Amino acid sequence: DIQMTQSPSTLSASVGDRITITCRASQSISDSLAWYQQKPGKAPKLLIYKASNLENGVPSRFSGSGSGTEFTLTIGSLQPDDFATYYCQQYNNYGRTFGQGTKVEIK
Amino acid sequence: QVQLVQSGAEVKKPGASVKVSCKSSGYSFTVYGTNWVRQAPGQGLEWMGWITSYNGDTVYAPKFQGRLTITTDTSTSTVYMELASLRSDDTAVYFCARDGITGYYFDSWGQGTLVTVSS
Repeated sequence: DIQMTQSPSTLSASVGDRITITCRASQSISDSLAWYQQKPGKAPKLLIYKASNLENGVPSRFSGSGSGTEFTLTIGSLQPDDFATYYCQQYNNYGRTFGQGTKVEIK
Repeated sequence: QVQLVQSGAEVKKPGASVKVSCKSSGYSFTVYGTNWVRQAPGQGLEWMGWITSYNGDTVYAPKFQGRLTITTDTSTSTVYMELASLRSDDTAVYFCARDGITGYYFDSWGQGTLVTVSS
């Protein structure tokens, strides 16, 4: 199984900050990586697919990059609505695996 | 618009089985695969398995092999997830999620179904 490791587990930031979350795969997954945002009590929401493609309707302050084993999600200017938990997910093979999540909290 | 609507909360005893449904609308049901993902209280997301409603093929995460059955009913555009031999650590919110158009990511999600396993 491919393991996904996110860092940090928790990130404290302020409105307007630029933040970056990292996701590392235990083996190469090409660009088969997605990012999700989840708020308490809600289903996850797709933000990015194929490592860097923004899902329709997602604000442009969200961006993704990377390939192979290392990927990043960047929020260009953190907004109040962005405080949530973020997950990466690989889909390179028939199995799908999530990272353990990064909680973005208010500093 | 794309919608996935799941059945309601369940309370089960250890050793029992649970069957959760996910009814889809707003798109061509047999074109997209459907996944099941669960989330234990306060924990992260865990992918369980996938089905294509085109021909009923399934893929299960190794952890759930032998205990998980995913089925599809194309006449009602509904996918079912049945988990057997329930344990207390199966207590979780179970989500269905549709495959993306270009890959096995999840572009639409159901609202979630809480399954509580307790004696």
